[in-house]
Amino acid sequence: EADIYQTPRYLVIGTGKKITLECSQTMGHDKMYWYQQDPGMELHLIHYSYGVNSTEKGDLSSESTVSRIRTEHFPLTLESARPSHTSQYLCASSESLGVWFFGPGTRLTVL
Amino acid sequence: QQQVKQSPQSLIVQKGGIPIINCAYENTAFDYFPWYQQFPGKGPALLIAIRPDVSEKKEGRFTISFNKSAKQFSLHIMDSQPGDSATYFCAASSRIQGAQKLVFGQGTRLTINP
Repeated sequence: EADIYQTPRYLVIGTGKKITLECSQTMGHDKMYWYQQDPGMELHLIHYSYGVNSTEKGDLSSESTVSRIRTEHFPLTLESARPSHTSQYLCASSESLGVWFFGPGTRLTVL
Repeated sequence: QQQVKQSPQSLIVQKGGIPIINCAYENTAFDYFPWYQQFPGKGPALLIAIRPDVSEKKEGRFTISFNKSAKQFSLHIMDSQPGDSATYFCAASSRIQGAQKLVFGQGTRLTINP
């Protein structure tokens, strides 16, 4: 079982709200990632980081932002949520040998 | 641009059968090819992975076959069980700017009937 945690697991909010999805890992991995996934569908990389104070945008354009102030913590923020942001958000981290570990995900619904 | 193409989209197999899921890639810089298993409401979990210098890898009932010249790889599940019913994703990674990016296939929803 990978030691990577995401909170909340489920979130239902109204349009225009600011939200932060939390992701933490206790494995000491430098590399962390955020993927967006519609149920049962392909995963799309939206943000990644290869260390403290480094963040990059992924392959899929996203209105969300991320920060990496501590190695173990990689939160994702939406300043003003919209229904189009409804999706599942998966956080992952990887070790130097290239093995990715995924968190359980946050299922976000924006009304 | 779909960097990893996966097929079929869905697959139904009887218990004990051998489901086969196929993936193809274009980017020759990819150097790591994992398969992930995902159950509803869960994050993907690593099942088995292979590097391009190996043509086959077995772990328990799961086997990856890798054809570097054809840029294709596949997952075989021996003696499949209803508990194997899940969505399976192939993936590939390449090292970019010090961070390996993992690109996923579209996923295969596998159902094993009792």
